Amino acid sequence: GENVEQHPSTLSVQEGDSAVIKCTYSDSASNYFPWYKQELGKGPQLIIDIRSNVGEKKDQRIAVTLNKTAKHFSLHITETQPEDSAVYFCAAPVTGGFKTIFGAGTRLFVKA
Amino acid sequence: DVKVTQSSRYLVKRTGEKVFLECVQDMDHENMFWYRQDPGLGLRLIYFSYDVKMKEKGDIPEGYSVSREKKERFSLILESASTNQTSMYLCASSPSLVKTQYFGPGTRLLVL
Repeated sequence: GENVEQHPSTLSVQEGDSAVIKCTYSDSASNYFPWYKQELGKGPQLIIDIRSNVGEKKDQRIAVTLNKTAKHFSLHITETQPEDSAVYFCAAPVTGGFKTIFGAGTRLFVKA
Repeated sequence: DVKVTQSSRYLVKRTGEKVFLECVQDMDHENMFWYRQDPGLGLRLIYFSYDVKMKEKGDIPEGYSVSREKKERFSLILESASTNQTSMYLCASSPSLVKTQYFGPGTRLLVL
């Protein structure tokens, strides 16, 4: 079946450093790739997304890159801050179906 | 802002009990989803609904049922709760099946 793999499962960085989280997907027809952030005690919230007609999208300190040939996309957080500490999920829709598959999540720790 | 609310933040139930988890969204979204979240497994789809009274099984529907009598409300039912259903349950809604999903805060269920 369709799958989304996410790495690493845990990431610890020093405040001010960059963090990168990577995902690969299996459905070559997928065309929408969101990233969600889940803070403690809350549901996931969309932080950025990218569609298949662009290779990169940036919003202040966060950016997402997409390589359709290799079927992978990445989340980049620059100048990390303690409030970036959370669990991050990537996702991709199943084409022709009615669902989105989520990665297993990455727990990011930003040390002050 | 889209708001998705869930009836309980925490629930403790006994094995064999019938459990109802309620979800309400206020943005007139056609689509609603129930996921369970377990460490290392990400978000797994239990059921989704694309219209009133319409439902589709997700990846792990066994032991669960759903009800959508009104557009804004989507209920998850555990017919006979078991200990392996101890988990975090997340409800989400979306204007499209392959677009941003808006999540509620989650219900942490403990089955004893």
